[in-house]
Amino acid sequence: DVKVTQSSRYLVKRTGEKVFLECVQDMDHENMFWYRQDPGLGLRLIYFSYDVKMKEKGDIPEGYSVSREKKERFSLILESASTNQTSMYLCASSLVVGELFFGEGSRLTVL
Amino acid sequence: DQQVKQNSPSLSVQEGRISILNCDYTNSMFDYFLWYKKYPAEGPTFLISISSIKDKNEDGRFTVFLNKSAKHLSLHIVPSQPGDSAVYFCAASANTGNQFYFGTGTSLTVIP
Repeated sequence: DVKVTQSSRYLVKRTGEKVFLECVQDMDHENMFWYRQDPGLGLRLIYFSYDVKMKEKGDIPEGYSVSREKKERFSLILESASTNQTSMYLCASSLVVGELFFGEGSRLTVL
Repeated sequence: DQQVKQNSPSLSVQEGRISILNCDYTNSMFDYFLWYKKYPAEGPTFLISISSIKDKNEDGRFTVFLNKSAKHLSLHIVPSQPGDSAVYFCAASANTGNQFYFGTGTSLTVIP
């Protein structure tokens, strides 16, 4: 079974703090994604990566950056957290073509 | 602008009856569609997919129908079970890439 592991299930941070969300997948998938889920807005794509050191902006990249130094690991970085970044963050991976496999999510609260 | 729309935020169905969840899309380039199920505090899990070369795909109690001319797909669950109570998301992708666009979700409640 594909496993996508997100490092933290719940985080509480203060405004202005730097936040790292880590994601690791164990199935050698080429593609990795970061989404955020908010009530009434569904899942919105922040960034995705189709190869090591490659990244593409999604629909809402502002305020975020990503890092993919190894194929299995995709990190989401909030350089200076703000309250409007309070959300559920979901990491996913996939083969070149095919369905997304999601991690369990990281609930971030920014105070 | 939302390219994938789920216009019903919620749906309640009696156990044993059919649940029909609907999804509309605007981009005619979309050719691969997925349905996901999500429980609270968990990540979405893949349910079923359909490509644009088909108009129906079935997997056990779950069937997805695609009407390309109407840019509409639907997920049928029959018979519905209480364990099906969850939020269901549809997602669409175009051949040019693997970026999926998600709808806003429909919360299904199956009443015992």
